[in-house]
Parts: sequence; C-alpha cells; structure tokens
Amino acid sequence: KAGVTQTPRYLIKTRGQQVTLSCSPISGHRSVSWYQQTPGQGLQFLFEYFSETQRNKGNFPGRFSGRQFSNSRSEMNVSTLELGDSALYLCASSLGGSDTQYFGPGTRLTVL
Amino acid sequence: GQSLEQPSEVTAVEGAIVQINCTYQTSGFYGLSWYQQHDGGAPTFLSYNALDGLEETGRFSSFLSRSDSYGYLLLQELQMKDSASYFCAARTSGTYKYIFGTGTRLKVLA
Repeated sequence: KAGVTQTPRYLIKTRGQQVTLSCSPISGHRSVSWYQQTPGQGLQFLFEYFSETQRNKGNFPGRFSGRQFSNSRSEMNVSTLELGDSALYLCASSLGGSDTQYFGPGTRLTVL
Repeated sequence: GQSLEQPSEVTAVEGAIVQINCTYQTSGFYGLSWYQQHDGGAPTFLSYNALDGLEETGRFSSFLSRSDSYGYLLLQELQMKDSASYFCAARTSGTYKYIFGTGTRLKVLA
C-alpha cells in the first residue's frame, strides 16, 4: 500500500505571496491532518479534515486554510506569506477516530 | 490548557537502556502514542497504549498510567541509529484534537 505523499517537497516563496500544498493520504484513510514544524515550536496542529469536513482547527491565523476532496486528498493554503511561515509542513492520514497517524515526507517551505 | 510535556534532551551510550517520560494534562484522552523522527525525516509511529500497563514491541516498550497522567517510552540495547527525536501524542476526548508532546532529542554515544 502506498504511503502518504506530499507535493511539492520544497518550495521557496517571497513575503506576501500565497502557497498551496497538497497531500494524498493512504488509500482508505478518511482523515487528513496538517502540522507545522519549526525548530523552536515542535509539531503544531493546524487542522484536521474527515470526509471533506474540517473536524478540528489549531490556533493559527485565518491566512491558513485547507480543504479535503471527495477522494480524501487534501490541500492547505497559506495566503500573504510571512517570514515566520518558513517551516516543514507535515500531512498525516489515519483511518479516523483515535487511530495512529501516518505521516508524509513533508513540504519544506522557505519564505524570503 | 491541554499539553504533553517531555524532557528536551536525553543522552545515553550504545547498549544502554533509556527512558523518555511524558506527563500530560488533558481533559481526557483515548490513549498515548509514541513517534520517532530522525533529522530531516517525518515522524513514524512506534507504539500505542490504550490501557494502563506496558506494551512491548521489540527493543521498544511503552508504559501508561492514567491515574498518574504519565507515560514513558523505554528503549533497550540502544543503537546509534536510535539517535532521533521522540514525541508522545494523544487524541483528546474533549476537543478530539490530536496533540503532540514537546519532543525529546535522544543522543546515543559510542
């Protein structure tokens, strides 16, 4: 079974631009969660989608948004990029419920 | 607030045993998970405790005590490749969010 895939793997943007990241979960997994990881802040929960509905949201500004499609693939969007948005963005999928999270390789975003 | 606290760093020598603790403060949760993350890599699942007690998976064991709001990951026969960051995590029963601990960086010395 193929693992979680994320595209692109690396991205360089400038302040003020917007970016869209993509995540394809493991086949059969209906829950997709997004995390931001920075050296000083660890793994910070962004949001979780289950069956195309946002089930939970972390403490991030409205510039961070996401969605999930009927095939469970998910995208997250960050508008008006700031330098502090530079981070590794990880996507994880699970069957749902309280299940184990399976992570993708992440997208390394650098904002200049 | 809801949080999972871990020591920031632990150092041990090859062949030794090391314990990484996790104390949590949540409104209720379904169980405690542990993940390993090597530098530059993604977190990978190691172990899950739904009930109190010890779970053993090869060289790794994990323990949970709900009454003490405490768990730990035990790594035996340490190898250099075990040098990584380790995170405890839980899905809370109140908000249903999946939250991660602060992370522990393990350094294994030759």
